[in-house]
Amino acid sequence: GAVVSQHPSRVICKSGTSVKIECRSLDFQATTMFWYRQFPKQSLMLMATSNEGSKATYEQGVEKDKFLINHASLTLSTLTVTSAHPEDSSFYICSARGGQSAGELFFGEGSRLTVL
Amino acid sequence: AQTVTQSQPEMSVQEAETVTLSCTYDTSENNYYLFWYKQPPSRQMILVIRQEAYKQQNATENRFSVNFQKAAKSFSLKISDSQLGDTAMYFCAFMNAPAGQLTFGSGTQLTVLP
Repeated sequence: GAVVSQHPSRVICKSGTSVKIECRSLDFQATTMFWYRQFPKQSLMLMATSNEGSKATYEQGVEKDKFLINHASLTLSTLTVTSAHPEDSSFYICSARGGQSAGELFFGEGSRLTVL
Repeated sequence: AQTVTQSQPEMSVQEAETVTLSCTYDTSENNYYLFWYKQPPSRQMILVIRQEAYKQQNATENRFSVNFQKAAKSFSLKISDSQLGDTAMYFCAFMNAPAGQLTFGSGTQLTVLP
């Protein structure tokens, strides 16, 4: 099956620094990738949709200047949390669409961000 | 906009028994997909089962089956012969066909008791 790899799985950073999370499709070309945020014991909330070679589309309430998303190739999308603050601490998950499976998204393992 | 509702925040079941998780959704679309995802403590999202709205036959995957009632906009998940490894958060999700985005329900934490 299709594999999506997310890195790093855990990251701790100081307040005010920026953190980059990578999402890679390992065995298929991902035309569209999605980024979600998940707080403890809550559901996944879509942050943004990124299409290869174009600007990401952000959901209402998501600050595009804080959460920079780049989808420069068909196998890689990155989420950069800029000037991170403790309230940005969360679990971030990416998913990708592509390959031969219609109507299915493939998820990365997720990245836990802790901002001190 | 689509909404997905899971009214059971927590459920438990004895090992080897059967349990049903409920999900309702709201949409004005006619062509869409419905999913059940499992999220164990590792937090990895695992696809359990998928249903295409145009198919009348309920999807089944080994011990997992759904009861899809399109007119009622209901999509419940039945887990038979529950196993300890089934303990996880289960999310119901909706996607417009052919290439929409996923909308998740709030989740049901299922605990399988030994």
